Amino acid sequence: DVKVTQSSRYLVKRTGEKVFLECVQDMDHENMFWYRQDPGLGLRLIYFSYDVKMKEKGDIPEGYSVSREKKERFSLILESASTNQTSMYLCASRGDRHISRGYTFGSGTRLTVV
Amino acid sequence: EDQVTQSPEALRLQEGESSSLNCSYTVSGLRGLFWYRQDPGKGPEFLFTLYSAGEEKEKERLKATLTKKESFLHITAPKPEDSATYLCAVQGSGAGSYQLTFGKGTKLSVIP
Repeated sequence: DVKVTQSSRYLVKRTGEKVFLECVQDMDHENMFWYRQDPGLGLRLIYFSYDVKMKEKGDIPEGYSVSREKKERFSLILESASTNQTSMYLCASRGDRHISRGYTFGSGTRLTVV
Repeated sequence: EDQVTQSPEALRLQEGESSSLNCSYTVSGLRGLFWYRQDPGKGPEFLFTLYSAGEEKEKERLKATLTKKESFLHITAPKPEDSATYLCAVQGSGAGSYQLTFGKGTKLSVIP
């Protein structure tokens, strides 16, 4: 099975810090996604990538950036963390040849900004 | 724009009390409807994919069905371990067709 690994389960950061969330998938998937999930708001797409060095804005990209230097790794960057970025962050991947399962998600990173 | 609405937002069932969760959708050219299960503090896990109206899929106490406008997740004789949030998502044939559009989920609690 495809495995999507997020580097941290829990993070606590201070306001104004630059924060890196890392995601690695092991099945050569072309497509990778970053979501945040908040109670009552569901999953909201931040950024996604269809290929190495390629990125597209999702629905809520403000305050975030991404990096995809290698196919298996997709990083989410909070340029200057703020308290309203406290959330559960979920990474997902999907292969062009494996559409039947939709996304494969990582376990999530619970980020608290104080 | 693709849209997914799930109802109810939350559902409490007694153990053994069967029920259904609803997922209503509007999509330009449905390429797939997906059901996921999410346990607290974890990422969603894949359950089913449905492609066309009339299709059904089953797994243990869960059965997913699909019509042209909605999908149902039927839970038969649920157990406490079925407690989770169930997410529905669709993939349309429009631009960015590898993206899924998610509903907000139904939080299911099964009481012993």
